[in-house]
Amino acid sequence: DAGVTQSPTHLIKTRGQQVTLRCSPKSGHDTVSWYQQALGQGPQFIFQYYEEEERQRGNFPDRFSGHQFPNYSSELNVNALLLGDSALYLCASSLDRGQNIQYFGAGTRLSVL
Amino acid sequence: GQQLNQSPQSMFIQEGEDVSMNCTSSSIFNTWLWYKQEPGEGPVLLIALYKAGELTSNGRLTAQFGITRKDSFLNISASIPSDVGIYFCAGQLASGTYKYIFGTGTRLKVLA
Repeated sequence: DAGVTQSPTHLIKTRGQQVTLRCSPKSGHDTVSWYQQALGQGPQFIFQYYEEEERQRGNFPDRFSGHQFPNYSSELNVNALLLGDSALYLCASSLDRGQNIQYFGAGTRLSVL
Repeated sequence: GQQLNQSPQSMFIQEGEDVSMNCTSSSIFNTWLWYKQEPGEGPVLLIALYKAGELTSNGRLTAQFGITRKDSFLNISASIPSDVGIYFCAGQLASGTYKYIFGTGTRLKVLA
Protein backbone atom coordinates (compact mmCIF):
# COMPACT_ATOMS: atom_id res chain seq x y z
CA ASP A 1 0.00 0.00 0.00
CA ALA A 2 1.82 3.10 -1.27
CA GLY A 3 1.92 6.06 1.04
CA VAL A 4 2.01 9.69 -0.05
CA THR A 5 4.66 10.26 -2.69
CA GLN A 6 6.13 13.59 -3.71
CA SER A 7 8.43 14.62 -6.52
CA PRO A 8 11.01 15.89 -6.96
CA THR A 9 12.78 15.45 -3.62
CA HIS A 10 15.03 18.47 -4.11
CA LEU A 11 14.87 21.48 -6.40
CA ILE A 12 17.02 24.55 -6.91
CA LYS A 13 15.58 27.60 -8.65
CA THR A 14 16.49 31.26 -9.02
CA ARG A 15 14.41 34.28 -8.09
CA GLY A 16 11.62 35.03 -10.52
CA GLN A 17 11.36 31.50 -11.84
CA GLN A 18 8.34 29.25 -11.58
CA VAL A 19 8.17 25.78 -10.03
CA THR A 20 5.77 22.84 -10.05
CA LEU A 21 5.72 20.23 -7.32
CA ARG A 22 3.79 16.97 -7.54
CA CYS A 23 1.99 14.73 -5.09
CA SER A 24 0.29 11.35 -5.28
CA PRO A 25 -2.00 10.67 -2.32
CA LYS A 26 -2.13 7.53 -0.22
CA SER A 27 -4.17 4.78 -1.84
CA GLY A 28 -7.88 5.33 -1.15
CA HIS A 29 -7.54 8.99 -0.23
CA ASP A 30 -9.34 11.72 -2.16
CA THR A 31 -8.18 14.94 -0.51
CA VAL A 32 -4.80 16.65 -0.77
CA SER A 33 -3.45 19.46 1.38
CA TRP A 34 -0.22 21.37 0.85
CA TYR A 35 1.94 22.85 3.60
CA GLN A 36 5.08 24.97 3.64
CA GLN A 37 7.65 24.26 6.35
CA ALA A 38 10.40 26.82 6.84
CA LEU A 39 13.55 25.74 8.63
CA GLY A 40 12.96 25.35 12.35
CA GLN A 41 9.21 25.93 12.06
CA GLY A 42 6.07 23.85 12.01
CA PRO A 43 4.23 23.31 8.71
CA GLN A 44 1.97 26.15 7.52
CA PHE A 45 -1.21 25.35 5.59
CA ILE A 46 -1.23 26.59 1.98
CA PHE A 47 -4.46 25.07 0.61
CA GLN A 48 -6.55 21.93 0.31
CA TYR A 49 -7.99 20.31 -2.80
CA TYR A 50 -11.05 18.09 -2.96
CA GLU A 51 -13.06 17.06 -6.02
CA GLU A 52 -10.57 18.96 -8.18
CA GLU A 53 -11.43 22.24 -6.46
CA GLU A 54 -9.56 24.37 -3.95
CA ARG A 55 -11.84 24.35 -0.92
CA GLN A 56 -9.77 26.12 1.68
CA ARG A 57 -6.76 28.41 1.49
CA GLY A 58 -4.29 29.65 4.07
CA ASN A 59 -2.54 33.03 4.17
CA PHE A 60 -0.48 32.63 1.03
CA PRO A 61 -0.38 34.99 -1.96
CA ASP A 62 -1.87 34.21 -5.35
CA ARG A 63 1.60 33.26 -6.60
CA PHE A 64 0.80 29.93 -4.97
CA SER A 65 -1.70 27.92 -6.98
CA GLY A 66 -2.62 24.30 -7.33
CA HIS A 67 -4.50 21.70 -9.18
CA GLN A 68 -6.04 18.32 -8.46
CA PHE A 69 -6.48 15.72 -11.16
CA PRO A 70 -9.26 13.12 -11.56
CA ASN A 71 -6.97 10.44 -10.09
CA TYR A 72 -6.68 12.65 -6.93
CA SER A 73 -3.02 13.51 -7.52
CA SER A 74 -2.13 17.16 -7.14
CA GLU A 75 0.33 19.83 -8.18
CA LEU A 76 1.53 22.93 -6.37
CA ASN A 77 2.72 25.81 -8.56
CA VAL A 78 4.65 28.79 -7.32
CA ASN A 79 5.26 31.73 -9.67
CA ALA A 80 7.75 34.59 -9.43
CA LEU A 81 9.84 32.81 -6.82
CA LEU A 82 11.25 34.81 -3.92
CA LEU A 83 14.18 33.92 -1.68
CA GLY A 84 11.67 33.53 1.14
CA ASP A 85 9.94 30.71 -0.71
CA SER A 86 12.86 28.43 0.16
CA ALA A 87 11.35 25.73 2.35
CA LEU A 88 10.24 22.12 2.60
CA TYR A 89 6.91 21.70 0.81
CA LEU A 90 4.79 18.94 2.24
CA CYS A 91 1.80 17.21 0.76
CA ALA A 92 -0.74 15.50 3.02
CA SER A 93 -3.56 13.26 1.93
CA SER A 94 -6.76 12.33 3.73
CA LEU A 95 -10.18 10.82 3.14
CA ASP A 96 -12.99 13.36 3.03
CA ARG A 97 -15.53 11.05 4.64
CA GLY A 98 -13.09 9.98 7.33
CA GLN A 99 -11.91 11.96 10.32
CA ASN A 100 -9.63 14.19 8.23
CA ILE A 101 -6.51 12.46 9.47
CA GLN A 102 -3.71 13.77 7.31
CA TYR A 103 -0.78 11.60 6.24
CA PHE A 104 2.32 13.32 4.93
CA GLY A 105 4.81 12.63 2.19
CA ALA A 106 8.55 13.14 2.61
CA GLY A 107 8.36 16.58 1.03
CA THR A 108 10.15 18.55 -1.66
CA ARG A 109 13.04 20.71 -0.53
CA LEU A 110 12.98 23.93 -2.59
CA SER A 111 15.96 26.26 -2.57
CA VAL A 112 15.61 29.66 -4.24
CA LEU A 113 18.90 31.41 -5.02
CA GLY B 1 1.90 32.36 10.22
CA GLN B 2 -0.38 30.93 12.86
CA GLN B 3 1.23 28.34 15.14
CA LEU B 4 0.27 26.71 18.41
CA ASN B 5 2.35 27.18 21.55
CA GLN B 6 4.30 23.99 22.16
CA SER B 7 6.62 23.37 25.10
CA PRO B 8 9.28 22.65 25.86
CA GLN B 9 11.04 23.89 22.75
CA SER B 10 13.78 21.30 23.19
CA MET B 11 14.94 18.80 25.74
CA PHE B 12 17.85 16.51 26.43
CA ILE B 13 16.98 13.42 28.43
CA GLN B 14 18.69 10.24 29.54
CA GLU B 15 17.69 6.94 27.98
CA GLY B 16 14.99 5.32 30.07
CA GLU B 17 13.49 8.58 31.31
CA ASP B 18 9.90 9.64 30.71
CA VAL B 19 9.16 12.71 28.58
CA SER B 20 6.22 15.10 28.65
CA MET B 21 5.34 17.86 26.23
CA ASN B 22 2.26 19.95 25.65
CA CYS B 23 0.50 22.16 23.18
CA THR B 24 -1.74 25.08 24.13
CA SER B 25 -3.95 27.59 22.38
CA SER B 26 -6.62 30.17 23.08
CA SER B 27 -8.87 28.52 20.47
CA ILE B 28 -11.07 25.44 20.73
CA PHE B 29 -10.17 22.37 18.68
CA ASN B 30 -12.15 19.30 17.66
CA THR B 31 -9.19 17.12 16.66
CA TRP B 32 -5.62 16.89 17.86
CA LEU B 33 -2.87 15.00 16.05
CA TRP B 34 0.66 14.30 17.19
CA TYR B 35 3.44 13.79 14.65
CA LYS B 36 7.15 12.97 14.77
CA GLN B 37 9.50 14.36 12.15
CA GLU B 38 13.08 13.25 11.52
CA PRO B 39 15.64 15.11 9.40
CA GLY B 40 14.82 15.04 5.69
CA GLU B 41 11.48 13.36 6.24
CA GLY B 42 7.86 14.39 6.43
CA PRO B 43 5.89 14.23 9.68
CA VAL B 44 4.78 10.73 10.68
CA LEU B 45 1.46 10.39 12.50
CA LEU B 46 1.77 9.02 16.04
CA ILE B 47 -1.61 9.51 17.69
CA ALA B 48 -5.00 11.03 16.80
CA LEU B 49 -7.46 12.42 19.39
CA TYR B 50 -11.10 13.28 18.70
CA LYS B 51 -12.88 14.01 22.01
CA ALA B 52 -12.23 16.20 25.02
CA GLY B 53 -10.67 14.16 27.82
CA GLU B 54 -9.71 11.31 25.49
CA LEU B 55 -6.56 9.42 26.45
CA THR B 56 -4.95 7.31 23.71
CA SER B 57 -1.83 5.18 23.70
CA ASN B 58 0.44 3.92 20.96
CA GLY B 59 3.11 1.71 22.50
CA ARG B 60 5.19 3.85 24.84
CA LEU B 61 3.40 7.00 23.71
CA THR B 62 0.29 8.37 25.42
CA ALA B 63 -1.55 11.50 24.39
CA GLN B 64 -4.50 13.34 25.91
CA PHE B 65 -7.07 15.74 24.50
CA GLY B 66 -7.44 18.50 27.11
CA ILE B 67 -10.78 18.92 28.86
CA THR B 68 -11.01 22.57 27.79
CA ARG B 69 -10.38 21.49 24.15
CA LYS B 70 -7.66 24.15 24.01
CA ASP B 71 -4.70 21.92 24.75
CA SER B 72 -3.16 18.50 24.32
CA PHE B 73 -0.37 16.52 25.95
CA LEU B 74 2.06 13.84 24.81
CA ASN B 75 4.02 11.54 27.08
CA ILE B 76 6.78 9.14 26.08
CA SER B 77 7.70 6.52 28.63
CA ALA B 78 11.10 4.86 28.99
CA SER B 79 12.70 6.82 26.16
CA ILE B 80 15.15 5.12 23.81
CA PRO B 81 17.69 6.63 21.37
CA SER B 82 15.36 6.21 18.36
CA ASP B 83 12.87 8.61 19.99
CA VAL B 84 15.15 11.43 18.82
CA GLY B 85 13.35 13.83 16.53
CA ILE B 86 10.98 16.77 16.47
CA TYR B 87 7.47 16.24 17.82
CA PHE B 88 4.65 18.40 16.51
CA CYS B 89 1.12 18.80 17.69
CA ALA B 90 -1.51 19.77 15.13
CA GLY B 91 -5.02 20.95 15.88
CA GLN B 92 -8.10 21.29 13.73
CA LEU B 93 -10.30 24.18 14.84
CA ALA B 94 -13.86 23.46 15.91
CA SER B 95 -15.19 26.07 13.49
CA GLY B 96 -15.64 23.82 10.48
CA THR B 97 -12.23 24.19 8.91
CA TYR B 98 -10.24 21.58 7.03
CA LYS B 99 -6.74 22.82 7.81
CA TYR B 100 -4.52 21.85 10.69
CA ILE B 101 -2.57 24.39 12.69
CA PHE B 102 0.79 23.06 13.82
CA GLY B 103 2.74 23.71 16.97
CA THR B 104 6.24 25.13 17.05
CA GLY B 105 7.70 21.67 17.74
CA THR B 106 9.59 20.00 20.56
CA ARG B 107 13.07 18.81 19.66
CA LEU B 108 13.94 15.71 21.65
CA LYS B 109 17.47 14.43 22.14
CA VAL B 110 18.09 11.22 24.04
CA LEU B 111 21.44 10.59 25.69
CA ALA B 112 22.36 6.92 25.79
